[in-house]
Amino acid sequence: QKEVEQNSGPLSVPEGAIASLNCTYSDRGSQSFFWYRQYSGKSPELIMSIYSNGDKEDGRFTAQLNKASQYVSLLIRDSQPSDSATYLCAVNGGAAGNKLTFGGGTRVLVKP
Amino acid sequence: DTGVSQNPRHKITKRGQNVTFRCDPISEHNRLYWYRQTLGQGPEFLTYFQNEAQLEKSRLLSDRFSAERPKGSFSTLEIQRTEQGDSAMYLCASSAIPERPEDEQYFGPGTRLTVT
Repeated sequence: QKEVEQNSGPLSVPEGAIASLNCTYSDRGSQSFFWYRQYSGKSPELIMSIYSNGDKEDGRFTAQLNKASQYVSLLIRDSQPSDSATYLCAVNGGAAGNKLTFGGGTRVLVKP
Repeated sequence: DTGVSQNPRHKITKRGQNVTFRCDPISEHNRLYWYRQTLGQGPEFLTYFQNEAQLEKSRLLSDRFSAERPKGSFSTLEIQRTEQGDSAMYLCASSAIPERPEDEQYFGPGTRLTVT
């Protein structure tokens, strides 16, 4: 079992719709959770971080954390073609310490 | 805040040669991380520094890899006797010792290494 798992996609979403991305993790000691956006050929860009159970909203992005179920999700509202990218879920804490452990990423395609 | 910078951005080398990459973190960030990313995969941790101390190294980091962070500022990652399997994007990230639980890491643009 991978430590951080994501559906590789592609997740195809019509422009203006909500994109929903999921991530599960195996280490119950994990403390902080992050979503990065990565355009092809570029480096990861931090878009959301979450530490506590529940929802955290930032603009069109909402991160949701459920530690009991060991999953974290990302909602992208009003999806735009510029949101087409790979979204990486990352966790730290627990056995991983300060380093980030990444999932393989979910590729999102927003179609006009 | 000028962001994390990395040099060079691209490096093509022949198998068996040594290469060195440089990372300049965001100013005042105490922690500096190196990751490696291959196509279609998420980044994998290599090593990290808190100030000048190298606190953790991944088992992925063979003895051909060495990293330094003299004076706790910029860092270098050297790969000796490169192999074709070393071809990847090498990413540097930095973070501040957090006052909040989230230790947010910010990535530089990466150095793409191609070993021929």
